[in-house]
Amino acid sequence: NAGVTQTPKFRVLKTGQSMTLLCAQDMNHEYMYWYRQDPGMGLRLIHYSVGEGTTAKGEVPDGYNVSRLKKQNFLLGLESAAPSQTSVYFCASSLGAVGANVLTFGAGSRLTVL
Amino acid sequence: SQQGEEDPQALSIQEGENATMNCSYKTSINNLQWYRQNSGRGLVHLILIRSNEREKHSGRLRVTLDTSKKSSSLLITASRAADTASYFCATDGTGGYSTLTFGKGTMLLVSP
Repeated sequence: NAGVTQTPKFRVLKTGQSMTLLCAQDMNHEYMYWYRQDPGMGLRLIHYSVGEGTTAKGEVPDGYNVSRLKKQNFLLGLESAAPSQTSVYFCASSLGAVGANVLTFGAGSRLTVL
Repeated sequence: SQQGEEDPQALSIQEGENATMNCSYKTSINNLQWYRQNSGRGLVHLILIRSNEREKHSGRLRVTLDTSKKSSSLLITASRAADTASYFCATDGTGGYSTLTFGKGTMLLVSP
Protein backbone atom coordinates (compact mmCIF):
# COMPACT_ATOMS: atom_id res chain seq x y z
CA ASN A 1 0.00 0.00 0.00
CA ALA A 2 1.28 3.43 -0.94
CA GLY A 3 -0.78 5.14 1.77
CA VAL A 4 -0.80 8.91 1.24
CA THR A 5 1.22 10.27 -1.66
CA GLN A 6 1.96 13.95 -2.18
CA THR A 7 3.24 15.55 -5.35
CA PRO A 8 5.41 17.45 -5.91
CA LYS A 9 7.88 16.95 -3.04
CA PHE A 10 9.66 20.25 -3.69
CA ARG A 11 8.68 23.38 -5.56
CA VAL A 12 10.03 26.90 -5.90
CA LEU A 13 7.64 29.62 -7.00
CA LYS A 14 7.89 33.31 -7.66
CA THR A 15 5.50 35.67 -5.93
CA GLY A 16 2.21 35.78 -7.80
CA GLN A 17 2.56 32.40 -9.49
CA SER A 18 -0.04 29.70 -8.99
CA MET A 19 0.33 26.01 -8.33
CA THR A 20 -1.53 22.93 -7.17
CA LEU A 21 -0.42 20.32 -4.68
CA LEU A 22 -1.89 16.88 -5.21
CA CYS A 23 -2.66 14.41 -2.46
CA ALA A 24 -3.71 10.86 -3.28
CA GLN A 25 -4.65 8.09 -0.85
CA ASP A 26 -5.37 4.46 -1.61
CA MET A 27 -6.92 3.45 1.72
CA ASN A 28 -10.52 4.37 0.87
CA HIS A 29 -10.46 7.01 3.62
CA GLU A 30 -13.39 9.40 3.86
CA TYR A 31 -11.64 12.34 5.51
CA MET A 32 -8.69 14.25 4.06
CA TYR A 33 -6.73 17.22 5.39
CA TRP A 34 -4.15 19.76 4.38
CA TYR A 35 -1.82 21.12 7.08
CA ARG A 36 1.12 23.48 6.89
CA GLN A 37 4.13 23.24 9.19
CA ASP A 38 6.29 26.22 9.97
CA PRO A 39 9.24 26.37 12.40
CA GLY A 40 8.04 26.90 15.94
CA MET A 41 4.38 26.82 14.90
CA GLY A 42 3.59 23.14 14.80
CA LEU A 43 0.97 22.01 12.30
CA ARG A 44 -1.91 24.25 11.35
CA LEU A 45 -4.97 23.05 9.46
CA ILE A 46 -5.64 24.78 6.15
CA HIS A 47 -8.67 22.98 4.73
CA TYR A 48 -10.26 19.59 5.10
CA SER A 49 -12.85 17.34 3.53
CA VAL A 50 -15.23 14.90 5.17
CA GLY A 51 -16.12 13.14 1.93
CA GLU A 52 -16.09 13.32 -1.83
CA GLY A 53 -17.40 16.67 -3.06
CA THR A 54 -17.10 18.38 0.36
CA THR A 55 -14.58 20.90 1.65
CA ALA A 56 -14.34 23.02 4.78
CA LYS A 57 -12.05 25.72 6.11
CA GLY A 58 -9.53 25.08 8.81
CA GLU A 59 -7.52 27.45 10.97
CA VAL A 60 -5.52 29.19 8.20
CA PRO A 61 -7.49 28.97 4.91
CA ASP A 62 -6.75 32.39 3.41
CA GLY A 63 -4.85 32.28 0.13
CA TYR A 64 -5.66 28.61 -0.49
CA ASN A 65 -8.39 26.72 -2.29
CA VAL A 66 -9.14 23.01 -2.31
CA SER A 67 -11.15 20.49 -4.26
CA ARG A 68 -12.21 16.90 -3.62
CA LEU A 69 -13.72 15.75 -6.89
CA LYS A 70 -12.70 12.14 -6.31
CA LYS A 71 -12.66 10.35 -2.99
CA GLN A 72 -9.01 9.40 -3.29
CA ASN A 73 -7.70 12.86 -4.24
CA PHE A 74 -7.50 16.16 -2.39
CA LEU A 75 -6.00 19.12 -4.23
CA LEU A 76 -4.59 22.24 -2.59
CA GLY A 77 -4.29 25.30 -4.81
CA LEU A 78 -2.41 28.55 -4.39
CA GLU A 79 -3.87 31.12 -6.76
CA SER A 80 -1.27 33.85 -6.23
CA ALA A 81 1.64 32.66 -4.13
CA ALA A 82 3.11 34.92 -1.45
CA PRO A 83 6.37 34.56 0.51
CA SER A 84 4.27 33.94 3.64
CA GLN A 85 3.16 30.67 2.04
CA THR A 86 6.69 29.31 2.14
CA SER A 87 6.20 26.20 4.25
CA VAL A 88 6.10 22.44 4.36
CA TYR A 89 2.66 21.16 3.45
CA PHE A 90 1.33 17.87 4.73
CA CYS A 91 -1.66 15.97 3.51
CA ALA A 92 -3.34 13.46 5.80
CA SER A 93 -6.33 11.16 5.66
CA SER A 94 -8.47 9.25 8.11
CA LEU A 95 -11.04 6.49 7.80
CA GLY A 96 -13.64 8.57 9.58
CA ALA A 97 -14.06 11.29 12.15
CA VAL A 98 -10.99 11.82 14.30
CA GLY A 99 -13.01 11.22 17.43
CA ALA A 100 -12.36 7.55 16.78
CA ASN A 101 -9.74 7.44 14.03
CA VAL A 102 -6.13 8.36 13.45
CA LEU A 103 -4.44 10.31 10.70
CA THR A 104 -2.13 8.85 8.08
CA PHE A 105 0.26 11.48 6.74
CA GLY A 106 2.06 11.95 3.49
CA ALA A 107 5.78 12.69 3.35
CA GLY A 108 5.27 16.41 2.83
CA SER A 109 5.74 18.98 0.08
CA ARG A 110 8.28 21.73 0.63
CA LEU A 111 7.26 24.97 -1.06
CA THR A 112 9.44 28.06 -1.32
CA VAL A 113 7.98 31.31 -2.60
CA LEU A 114 10.54 33.91 -3.65
CA SER B 1 -4.51 28.76 17.75
CA GLN B 2 -2.97 25.59 19.16
CA GLN B 3 -5.22 23.42 21.29
CA GLY B 4 -2.42 21.37 22.73
CA GLU B 5 0.84 22.70 24.08
CA GLU B 6 3.76 20.36 24.68
CA ASP B 7 6.34 20.77 27.39
CA PRO B 8 9.30 20.85 27.27
CA GLN B 9 10.00 22.28 23.82
CA ALA B 10 13.23 20.29 23.67
CA LEU B 11 14.62 17.38 25.63
CA SER B 12 18.09 15.84 25.49
CA ILE B 13 18.83 12.52 27.18
CA GLN B 14 21.20 9.54 27.00
CA GLU B 15 20.30 6.15 25.58
CA GLY B 16 18.66 3.96 28.17
CA GLU B 17 17.08 6.87 30.05
CA ASN B 18 13.36 7.54 30.15
CA ALA B 19 11.84 10.52 28.34
CA THR B 20 8.69 12.24 29.53
CA MET B 21 6.78 14.80 27.49
CA ASN B 22 3.69 16.65 28.62
CA CYS B 23 0.74 18.10 26.77
CA SER B 24 -1.89 20.52 28.00
CA TYR B 25 -5.08 21.38 26.16
CA LYS B 26 -7.97 23.77 26.57
CA THR B 27 -11.33 22.32 25.55
CA SER B 28 -13.24 19.09 26.07
CA ILE B 29 -12.05 16.19 23.96
CA ASN B 30 -13.14 12.77 22.74
CA ASN B 31 -9.58 11.58 22.42
CA LEU B 32 -5.98 12.69 22.50
CA GLN B 33 -3.38 11.33 20.11
CA TRP B 34 0.41 11.35 20.04
CA TYR B 35 2.43 11.45 16.83
CA ARG B 36 6.13 11.23 16.05
CA GLN B 37 7.95 13.07 13.27
CA ASN B 38 11.43 12.12 12.20
CA SER B 39 13.43 14.93 10.61
CA GLY B 40 12.20 15.69 7.11
CA ARG B 41 9.40 13.12 7.24
CA GLY B 42 5.67 13.02 7.74
CA LEU B 43 4.03 12.40 11.09
CA VAL B 44 3.41 8.86 12.26
CA HIS B 45 0.66 7.94 14.71
CA LEU B 46 1.87 6.45 17.99
CA ILE B 47 -1.06 6.07 20.33
CA LEU B 48 -4.64 7.21 20.87
CA ILE B 49 -6.18 7.56 24.32
CA ARG B 50 -9.89 8.17 24.77
CA SER B 51 -11.32 10.64 27.24
CA ASN B 52 -12.64 7.81 29.45
CA GLU B 53 -9.21 6.17 29.68
CA ARG B 54 -6.53 7.16 32.18
CA GLU B 55 -3.54 5.20 30.93
CA LYS B 56 -2.53 3.31 27.84
CA HIS B 57 0.55 1.31 26.92
CA SER B 58 2.11 0.40 23.58
CA GLY B 59 5.50 -1.28 23.71
CA ARG B 60 7.89 1.18 25.38
CA LEU B 61 5.29 3.96 25.27
CA ARG B 62 3.04 4.87 28.16
CA VAL B 63 0.45 7.61 27.84
CA THR B 64 -1.61 9.05 30.64
CA LEU B 65 -4.58 11.36 30.43
CA ASP B 66 -6.02 13.55 33.17
CA THR B 67 -9.16 15.20 31.85
CA SER B 68 -9.70 17.14 35.07
CA LYS B 69 -6.38 18.90 34.50
CA LYS B 70 -6.69 18.82 30.72
CA SER B 71 -3.27 17.28 30.41
CA SER B 72 -1.53 14.20 29.05
CA SER B 73 1.96 12.77 29.27
CA LEU B 74 3.96 10.52 26.99
CA LEU B 75 6.65 8.38 28.58
CA ILE B 76 9.22 6.58 26.45
CA THR B 77 11.10 4.04 28.51
CA ALA B 78 14.65 2.86 27.84
CA SER B 79 15.16 5.40 25.05
CA ARG B 80 17.17 4.56 21.98
CA ALA B 81 18.98 6.80 19.51
CA ALA B 82 16.27 5.87 16.99
CA ASP B 83 13.70 7.61 19.22
CA THR B 84 15.26 10.94 18.27
CA ALA B 85 12.36 12.84 16.71
CA SER B 86 9.74 15.48 17.39
CA TYR B 87 6.66 14.38 19.29
CA PHE B 88 3.28 16.04 18.94
CA CYS B 89 0.06 15.72 20.84
CA ALA B 90 -3.19 16.30 18.98
CA THR B 91 -6.74 16.69 20.16
CA ASP B 92 -10.17 16.72 18.63
CA GLY B 93 -12.90 18.89 20.08
CA THR B 94 -12.24 22.23 18.43
CA GLY B 95 -13.45 21.41 14.92
CA GLY B 96 -16.73 19.74 15.68
CA TYR B 97 -14.70 16.57 16.29
CA SER B 98 -13.87 16.36 12.58
CA THR B 99 -10.35 17.67 12.85
CA LEU B 100 -7.25 17.29 14.98
CA THR B 101 -5.44 20.29 16.41
CA PHE B 102 -1.73 19.79 16.98
CA GLY B 103 0.59 21.30 19.52
CA LYS B 104 3.99 22.74 18.64
CA GLY B 105 5.82 19.58 19.61
CA THR B 106 8.68 18.42 21.79
CA MET B 107 12.01 17.80 20.08
CA LEU B 108 13.67 14.76 21.66
CA LEU B 109 17.38 14.06 21.18
CA VAL B 110 18.66 10.71 22.41
CA SER B 111 22.43 10.48 22.44
CA PRO B 112 24.29 7.14 22.26
